[in-house]
This record gives sequence, C-alpha cells and structure tokens, in this order.
Amino acid sequence: AQSVTQPDIHITVSEGASLELRCNYSYGATPYLFWYVQSPGQGLQLLLKYFSGDTLVQGIKGFEAEFKRSQSSFNLRKPSVHWSDAAEYFCAVGAEGYQKVTFGIGTKLQVIP
Amino acid sequence: TAGITQAPTSQILAAGRSMTLRCTQDMRHNAMYWYRQDLGLGLRLIHYSNTAGTTGKGEVPDGYSVSRANTDDFPLTLASAVPSQTSVYFCASSDSPGEVTEAFFGQGTRLTVV
Repeated sequence: AQSVTQPDIHITVSEGASLELRCNYSYGATPYLFWYVQSPGQGLQLLLKYFSGDTLVQGIKGFEAEFKRSQSSFNLRKPSVHWSDAAEYFCAVGAEGYQKVTFGIGTKLQVIP
Repeated sequence: TAGITQAPTSQILAAGRSMTLRCTQDMRHNAMYWYRQDLGLGLRLIHYSNTAGTTGKGEVPDGYSVSRANTDDFPLTLASAVPSQTSVYFCASSDSPGEVTEAFFGQGTRLTVV
C-alpha cells in the first residue's frame, strides 16, 4: 500500500531564510506527487504537482519541489520565506484515480521575524 | 468563481443526533470527495463519487453516508453522531475521476459532537 511520511510535524524558520520541507513516499510505481498548503481556517490549495518529466517542479508562491526516485522523496523548497507562508503543508501521493491519493499528516510552518 | 461551497462553517451537535453537511461545486467536476482532518492523522477519505449517481467508500466510511443525485451536490450525512466524529470535514472535487489531477477543496466544516 502507498504511504507518505512527513517527518517534521512543526518547523520554525526566520523570515527571509530558506525552507525545505521533507516528504518521503512509498509506492510501487512512478507516483503522482502533490504539495498542498492550508492557511489557518482555510481549505487546501495546490502548490505544485509532479506527474512525469522534469524532476524539478515549479509551483505557485515561489515554491519548488524535486522528485528524487532513488530517495523516494519529494521535498518542498523555497529560497526566502515570507511571513505569509506560515501555514500547514501537506504532501500527497497517488495514482489510478484521486480516491486513492494518500495525504501525509502535514508540517506546520511557523515564520518568525 | 465560487468553486466549492460547504455549509455550515461550524456546528456543535449533540451525540445521537443526525446531521447533513452540504457541499456544492460550480466547476462541473465529475468527481467529488469527502475527507476528515484530524490532528496527527492528516486527511482521510470518507467517501467519494466518480460521477453523478455513483458513490464509493474511502478509508473511514463507517458512520457516514453520501449521495450524488446530480453533478453539483455531494452531501455527507451522519445518521447518529458520536464524539469520535468531531473533526474538520473537507469536501473536494476533481475533473477526471480516472486520472490523478488537481483536487479543489472547500473551506471546511468544523463539527463538534458533544
């Protein structure tokens, strides 16, 4: 069965610092991978997705993620964090229909001045 | 564009009572989903519908039922609420049920069962 691991439940970074959120997955074939962001009191918004092709994926709000098959990872990065990036971030993996997408437990990002 | 509208935004419900969480989308998406979000567990799929007239069970379907009478609406019903159903519920939709494409989420319904 597929699974997603987000090893960091909570991360604190200073505004302007770089950010990397980790995501490891388990899946038998090439997966579909997503990163979603959830601002407080809001629903989830798609940041970026990987289906195939270039392993470095650009998303909205200046985020990017890199698919590394050898490490079963899909880490999310941003070179300079803004206070408005404070939110919870979810990695997800799936295939064969969205009803089979599995979400990670989320990483809550705190941004300090 | 409204996208996905959920109602109510929040609700306190007495145990044993029934309740229907409403979800409406205006994107004409074929597939719709209900998730619950719990601390430390992330999002878990309750039920889904690939097209109007069909529904399927997700990871945690017990205690919940859904219907899909038309493309736009996908209500979730709790027949007899229990405290363990206290959660934040999200409705979502996607265009192609047979493919993994982007899902669009509503803003959620916070339900407290007391």
